[in-house]
Amino acid sequence: QSVLTQPPSMSAAPGQKVTISCSGSSSNIGNNYVSWYQQLPGTAPKLLIYENNKRPSGIPDRFSGSKSGTSATLGITGLQTGDEADFYCGTWDSSLSAFVFGTGTKVTVL
Amino acid sequence: EVQLVESGGGLVQPGGSLRLSCAASGFTFISFSMNWVRQAPGKGLEWLSYITTGGSKIYYADSVKGRFTISRDNAKNSVYLQMSSLRAEDTAVYYCARVRGSDLYHSYMDFWGKGTTVTVSS
Repeated sequence: QSVLTQPPSMSAAPGQKVTISCSGSSSNIGNNYVSWYQQLPGTAPKLLIYENNKRPSGIPDRFSGSKSGTSATLGITGLQTGDEADFYCGTWDSSLSAFVFGTGTKVTVL
Repeated sequence: EVQLVESGGGLVQPGGSLRLSCAASGFTFISFSMNWVRQAPGKGLEWLSYITTGGSKIYYADSVKGRFTISRDNAKNSVYLQMSSLRAEDTAVYYCARVRGSDLYHSYMDFWGKGTTVTVSS
């Protein structure tokens, strides 16, 4: 059972925006940095956002990350059919001495 | 090009053991900490274990502590996961991932292998 909670699913039409939340606590998100991963069907996860809001080289600026208190958010603008995937947040949990992932959010492009 | 290639997965009986390997190339392996992560069928990602560059610091998820052992051989550019006392719930795709970040609190995984499948069944 994950300590980071995400909505199970979200959907939007092409071109629209989705915002995925990741809720944690002071032992994880509240005091550590959040990363986000995209997992396309049948593939390995891929880093989208690191250190709360930084994008690796090659990740379009349609993807953005933010953090406030014990919650983090991934935003995807200009939604494309190729964005259909599962998205996971992750961070170190200082109390558990473990890296923790969110429960995952499946994004569907209508 | 950074590459991580897992191997060693397969079918094993409950209570059995298996050793997974992850061969790294395209980067200076000795400079990076490494993680193992798994994903059970139809489920989310589960972090399993972390090892520092020299192997001096190791962490495990509670679900595998005492049963799994992470190690690395920097001369062979490889990280391993020795799994014992396997259970049906250990059935999953196992990924190795390169760790970035100045410390654990900043840590994230920037490259992942394609995974190797472990099935625990009689």
